[in-house]
Amino acid sequence: DTGVSQNPRHKITKRGQNVTFRCDPISEHNRLYWYRQTLGQGPEFLTYFQNEAQLEKSRLLSDRFSAERPKGSFSTLEIQRTEQGDSAMYLCASSLVGLAGVVNTGELFFGEGSRLTVL
Amino acid sequence: KQEVTQIPAALSVPEGENLVLNCSFTDSAIYNLQWFRQDPGKGLTSLLLIQSSQREQTSGRLNASLDKSSGRSTLYIAASQPGDSATYLCAVSNRQLTFGSGTQLTVLP
Repeated sequence: DTGVSQNPRHKITKRGQNVTFRCDPISEHNRLYWYRQTLGQGPEFLTYFQNEAQLEKSRLLSDRFSAERPKGSFSTLEIQRTEQGDSAMYLCASSLVGLAGVVNTGELFFGEGSRLTVL
Repeated sequence: KQEVTQIPAALSVPEGENLVLNCSFTDSAIYNLQWFRQDPGKGLTSLLLIQSSQREQTSGRLNASLDKSSGRSTLYIAASQPGDSATYLCAVSNRQLTFGSGTQLTVLP
């Protein structure tokens, strides 16, 4: 396993179109996070999953955003009716927590991100 | 709400210099603290993780300290090299990571 994988790496779309990003976490990791990063800022939390359950959503995640992790493995982040303000880098991370008998540091490992440009 | 501040926002040093990056956070009830490196247009690379019960962690030329009671962490980089040029991000963990805005480091040859 080579780490967290995100696709596509770059997406250019017109305002009003829908886009979907995919994240494949490190295989044994039970937590998966989505973050958004704009130029010159640190990443901002959007949502996270423990296995297939979505446990927390940020207020940044408007109704146009939806995330799924149907089988507790890969996740998708869909943005409907994109706006220019959605232009950002969308980062996915995974971690291993709460597993009995295993040293869990909660360390997050990030993918390379998916850059969205909305024209 | 947790807030993370990193000072300075940008730093330029000559090669070989030792340097310190600062991070402060407002809520000391953290699970751990991570330092990341980010190259332009790339994702984040984890450098060091300090658990809330620990005081410091070291990896090669990097040393990170944590003072939970005062809400501070420092990242010390020894003998800096041009390849260290990047943005360094500090993040603290409660249920999820809260990031600072980063320090953009430039090491001049």
